[in-house]
Amino acid sequence: AQSVTQLGSHVSVSEGALVLLRCNYSSSVPPYLFWYVQYPNQGLQLLLKYTSAATLVKGINGFEAEFKKSETSFHLTKPSAHMSDAAEYFCAVSDGGDYKLSFGAGTTVTVRA
Amino acid sequence: GAVVSQHPSRVICKSGTSVKIECRSLDFQATTMFWYRQFPKQSLMLMATSNEGSKATYEQGVEKDKFLINHASLTLSTLTVTSAHPEDSSFYICSAIGQGALVGRGTQYFGPGTRLLVL
Repeated sequence: AQSVTQLGSHVSVSEGALVLLRCNYSSSVPPYLFWYVQYPNQGLQLLLKYTSAATLVKGINGFEAEFKKSETSFHLTKPSAHMSDAAEYFCAVSDGGDYKLSFGAGTTVTVRA
Repeated sequence: GAVVSQHPSRVICKSGTSVKIECRSLDFQATTMFWYRQFPKQSLMLMATSNEGSKATYEQGVEKDKFLINHASLTLSTLTVTSAHPEDSSFYICSAIGQGALVGRGTQYFGPGTRLLVL
């Protein structure tokens, strides 16, 4: 079964600082990997996805993630945090068969002025 | 593109009544829709998978008679919480996978969620 581990349930950064959210997956087949963002009382918005094309994936709102097979990781970064980045972030993995997603526990990002 | 809507956005009902939640793909055809439940400060829990014109597949531990899912068309799926009780209060989110130029292969697009409160 697929599983995803997000290290750190809460990350606090200063505005303008680097945002780094960690995600490790376990998959026996080349996975589809996703990062979603959820604002309070809203659904999930797709930030980016990895589908075995390029290992460095650029998403919306200045986020990017790098797929590292040797480390089974798919960490999300943004060079300069903005107040609007405060939200819950979920990493998810799918093996592509039935397209079911396995979600990580989520990481709450707060941005300090 | 790839917009999924849910209605209602929030609902309050009395214990014992049934509540229907609609999930629509607005600009693409959804071959598969998923229903999730999310408790406060927690991740999403998959409840069931529905394909257009066929019976939904429920995850282990989800009562199929309690949570009725209908996927009658390629743009609409409904979740009915029957005989709702306070413990059914939660945030319900749907997602859709589809075909077409607006959607990425195998990518789930999520609705905005429905907050259910059962009194």
